[in-house]
Amino acid sequence: DAMVIQNPRYQVTQFGKPVTLSCSQTLNHNVMYWYQQKSSQAPKLLFHYYDKDFNNEADTPDNFQSRRPNTSFCFLDIRSPGLGDAAMYLCATSTVGRWGAPDSPLHFGNGTRLTVT
Amino acid sequence: SQQGEEDPQALSIQEGENATMNCSYKTSINNLQWYRQNSGRGLVHLILIRSNEREKHSGRLRVTLDTSKKSSSLLITASRAADTASYFCATEGNYGQNFVFGPGTRLSVLP
Repeated sequence: DAMVIQNPRYQVTQFGKPVTLSCSQTLNHNVMYWYQQKSSQAPKLLFHYYDKDFNNEADTPDNFQSRRPNTSFCFLDIRSPGLGDAAMYLCATSTVGRWGAPDSPLHFGNGTRLTVT
Repeated sequence: SQQGEEDPQALSIQEGENATMNCSYKTSINNLQWYRQNSGRGLVHLILIRSNEREKHSGRLRVTLDTSKKSSSLLITASRAADTASYFCATEGNYGQNFVFGPGTRLSVLP
């Protein structure tokens, strides 16, 4: 089945120690997203890639970076995790049509729960 | 950049009643999506409604879209305890492809 896969499901890191979360997709979707979701809150968009074009949300801290080496993979790098970065990180994909408008639902992975000690 | 805003923030109803949640947004959109999230679980896509559509149905769900008022509503008819969840609307942000979620409505359906 075509899907969005996130690894690992659970990640524990130390305060200030860089960590990388990964996401892969077999849907061949041209847009990939990273969301941060804290308990009892809505998912907060950090950034997205439209093909190779990286788009950062204005309020995403510089501590968060992303890489998309090819269509299938996308990585979230947290350079110096703080206690406030403990959250569920969700990767999602969608398609964008000819005129740049999205034309599909978001397809989510199961998420990576990050703990910062 | 938060685009959608749901209301109410929390809603508590009895089983069998209807539940209505509203979403308002600020800028023009190509489509609006509704999602459900059970506590501790992932997001489940419910309905996508395009800007040229006024109403869509899926089982007990009915979504309406009023682009002139920049608002959408999600109606769940004959609610069940299993409908207890948070419901979010998602709309396009300033880039067009970036989907931004509203703060959500927490629905509790009491047996």
